[in-house]
Amino acid sequence: AQSVTQLDSQVPVFEEAPVELRCNYSSSVSVYLFWYVQYPNQGLQLLLKYLSGSTLVKGINGFEAEFNKSQTSFHLRKPSVHISDTAEYFCAVNSGYSTLTFGKGTMLLVSP
Amino acid sequence: EPEVTQTPSHQVTQMGQEVILRCVPISNHLYFYWYRQILGQKVEFLVSFYNNEISEKSEIFDDQFSVERPDGSNFTLKIRSTKLEDSAMYFCASTLGGAQETQYFGPGTRLLVL
Repeated sequence: AQSVTQLDSQVPVFEEAPVELRCNYSSSVSVYLFWYVQYPNQGLQLLLKYLSGSTLVKGINGFEAEFNKSQTSFHLRKPSVHISDTAEYFCAVNSGYSTLTFGKGTMLLVSP
Repeated sequence: EPEVTQTPSHQVTQMGQEVILRCVPISNHLYFYWYRQILGQKVEFLVSFYNNEISEKSEIFDDQFSVERPDGSNFTLKIRSTKLEDSAMYFCASTLGGAQETQYFGPGTRLLVL
């Protein structure tokens, strides 16, 4: 069985500040890891994914994430956020059976 | 850019009624999924569909649920007799195939059962 934990339900941050959204997973096998973003009234959009190779993955909109196998983490980072980054962010894991297991999501609130 | 579409965006129904949620996956995709998110909870997998049959389903996907690909474009989720606890956002997703492939999600249908 696989599971995903996003410890922070909400992260408030000021515009142009750095942000880190935390994600930890558990799985008995190798995993593929994903971050999705959901803007208000829209579907889930892929930000980035880790399949193999370099542990630092770069995604869209200036986001990046680092896979840490020993800590079973896949934290999402952005060095300088914009108001437009306000959205809900979901971490997800796939152990190779094609279904995604999601975390509860983290609401990123960017204020001026 | 191709996208997954879902209709309706919102649906209100009475307990015990049947509802059909519709999805149009990306045209060359082969695998189709339904997920749901109850308010304040995780996005949960319901069912996956490939080659005109269910390939995997979760414990949530009981006999009240069914899926169908009635033609070459639509993918539907039917709930036969809705319960209050079926109130949720339902997402459809599609992918070319394989665990490494990105799943593309639709905007969701918000279902409210009264």
